[in-house]
Amino acid sequence: DAKTTQPPSMDCAEGRAANLPCNHSTISGNEYVYWYRQIHSQGPQYIIHGLKNNETNEMASLIITEDRKSSTLILPHATLRDTAVYYCIGIGAGNMLTFGGGTRLMVKP
Amino acid sequence: DTAVSQTPKYLVTQMGNDKSIKCEQNLGHDTMYWYKQDSKKFLKIMFSYNNKELIINETVPNRFSPKSPDKAHLNLHINSLELGDSAVYFCASSQSHSNEKLFFGSGTQLSVL
Repeated sequence: DAKTTQPPSMDCAEGRAANLPCNHSTISGNEYVYWYRQIHSQGPQYIIHGLKNNETNEMASLIITEDRKSSTLILPHATLRDTAVYYCIGIGAGNMLTFGGGTRLMVKP
Repeated sequence: DTAVSQTPKYLVTQMGNDKSIKCEQNLGHDTMYWYKQDSKKFLKIMFSYNNKELIINETVPNRFSPKSPDKAHLNLHINSLELGDSAVYFCASSQSHSNEKLFFGSGTQLSVL
């Protein structure tokens, strides 16, 4: 599975877009990029995943660079409830999810 | 209805005791997991079961024994608890073994005194 690198922490103003970067320069062609988040005292929650194309769902957008070496998770209008640790994971099908340190996002009023 | 439920939410016990954590999912998923989150907040997979059969067993002491009576349940039994077992344990499930969209329970905080 790909090694991923994320900044340990970020701040975002409430109502603004939160852009969370992730580097996965060793990702292989058949490995997906998954994003999860963990709100304090809760279990991790799936957000979105992608392979090559950009993806969007009701929670977020995922932008993957053309060379697939990095991606950005975008929360278009961050709220206080989006304060959490966000995990970027590069994984091949059938492999087990391995969580790294993640980015602690603090949304401030 | 909670999709993945685990009990108890908190468990405080003495060293040397034996304890169990129960997990149930009502999503109809085939695969269930146990993860451990230590004090540094790193989440590590411990076990994975697919249709009641063990498919992943990471480097976990033999004192930890998962049991899956049916595919909707995966319980974790821990013998001879040690101080280092103190952590938050998360149960999760996914539709299949090759599906990485996991649904997690709310966790069991185990404190060994």
